[in-house]
Amino acid sequence: DVKVTQSSRYLVKRTGEKVFLECVQDMDHENMFWYRQDPGLGLRLIYFSYDVKMKEKGDIPEGYSVSREKKERFSLILESASTNQTSMYLCASSLVRFSTDTQYFGPGTRLTVL
Amino acid sequence: GESVGLHLPTLSVQEGDNSIINCAYSNSASDYFIWYKQESGKGPQFIIDIRSNMDKRQGQRVTVLLNKTVKHLSLQIAATQPGDSAVYFCAENMDNYGQNFVFGPGTRLSVLP
Repeated sequence: DVKVTQSSRYLVKRTGEKVFLECVQDMDHENMFWYRQDPGLGLRLIYFSYDVKMKEKGDIPEGYSVSREKKERFSLILESASTNQTSMYLCASSLVRFSTDTQYFGPGTRLTVL
Repeated sequence: GESVGLHLPTLSVQEGDNSIINCAYSNSASDYFIWYKQESGKGPQFIIDIRSNMDKRQGQRVTVLLNKTVKHLSLQIAATQPGDSAVYFCAENMDNYGQNFVFGPGTRLSVLP
């Protein structure tokens, strides 16, 4: 089974703090994704990566950055957290780049910015 | 508890009955669709997928139907059980590279005893 893990289930930070969310997958997947999920809305893509050190902007990249130094790990960084970044953050991975593969999700990190 | 899906449409079914959850998608060129189940406090879990060259696909207790004419997707759950209570949402693949999915907001399924 594919396993995607996220470093924290719940996180509380203050406005202006730098926040790191980590995601690890153990299936040698090429692609990794960061989404946020807000009540009543579908998942919205923040960033994705299809290879080490590669990244692509999603639909809502503003206020976020990412890092992929190793194939299995994809980090989401909030340079200066703001209250409107309070959300559920979901990491996902899929097998190969140019195919319509299923995305497998981690358990999510619920971030609250005070 | 989790606040995901506060304003979602809700479907309530009696335990043992069949459930049908619907999803309208936006792009007639979308070629791949996935249904996910998300329980409270957990990440989305893959249930079943279907490609655009098919109209129907069956899994264990679940069936997905695809109507390309009206851009409609449905998930049927047979003999619904309490453990099926969750938010269900569909995802459509918007491009041939497989990276661009659009996710629906979801439907909350409540199974009544």
